Amino acid sequence: DSGVTQTPKHLITATGQRVTLRCSPRSGDLSVYWYQQSLDQGLQFLIQYYNGEERAKGNILERFSAQQFPDLHSELNLSSLELGDSALYFCASQATNTEAFFGQGTRLTVV
Amino acid sequence: GQNIDQPTEMTATEGAIVQINCTYQTSGFNGLFWYQQHAGEAPTFLSYNVLDGLEEKGRFSSFLSRSKGYSYLLLKELQMKDSASYLCAVRGAGNMLTFGGGTRLMVKP
Repeated sequence: DSGVTQTPKHLITATGQRVTLRCSPRSGDLSVYWYQQSLDQGLQFLIQYYNGEERAKGNILERFSAQQFPDLHSELNLSSLELGDSALYFCASQATNTEAFFGQGTRLTVV
Repeated sequence: GQNIDQPTEMTATEGAIVQINCTYQTSGFNGLFWYQQHAGEAPTFLSYNVLDGLEEKGRFSSFLSRSKGYSYLLLKELQMKDSASYLCAVRGAGNMLTFGGGTRLMVKP
């Protein structure tokens, strides 16, 4: 158990809908990363938060947004969903100058 | 920006040794990580290098040359359970962690 919790584990939704994925980082970790992994693809960096502030942004679509709350949990919001958004979405948390620990991911299926 | 390259696939035999290479170009460098990922599962941390040289951890070792922008992961005494993807990741400016595309390793009997 990495100590990073993601909910839900699985999500099936229709095109055009909006979903929210949740991540609770390890206790005390200030950094949260979000990654997207499509089938048989590598991890695509979406966005990073540090102590509530956006720190870095990758190739995140405008339909996607995220935030980190005062208790350090983070949410990734995906809207106007398309079939191509079907993927595993991973959250990782990191303390300063340590490795990142990954949650088990949310498998999103858009039908 | 960050650019990280590693081979897409490799095949090796059970009991053998395999070396997975990773080259990178980054703006800022604050460490290189190797992760293992089995299909459909979360990546798990294997090793971390921030200074040049070799870090050994049981059957796995990782090497870094910062001047060459190069790292490798060495797996010894391969076991069937080592069949997985191996991800090279660089922590650069702003502590941003960027992953390469991963190397899918198939271990054959």
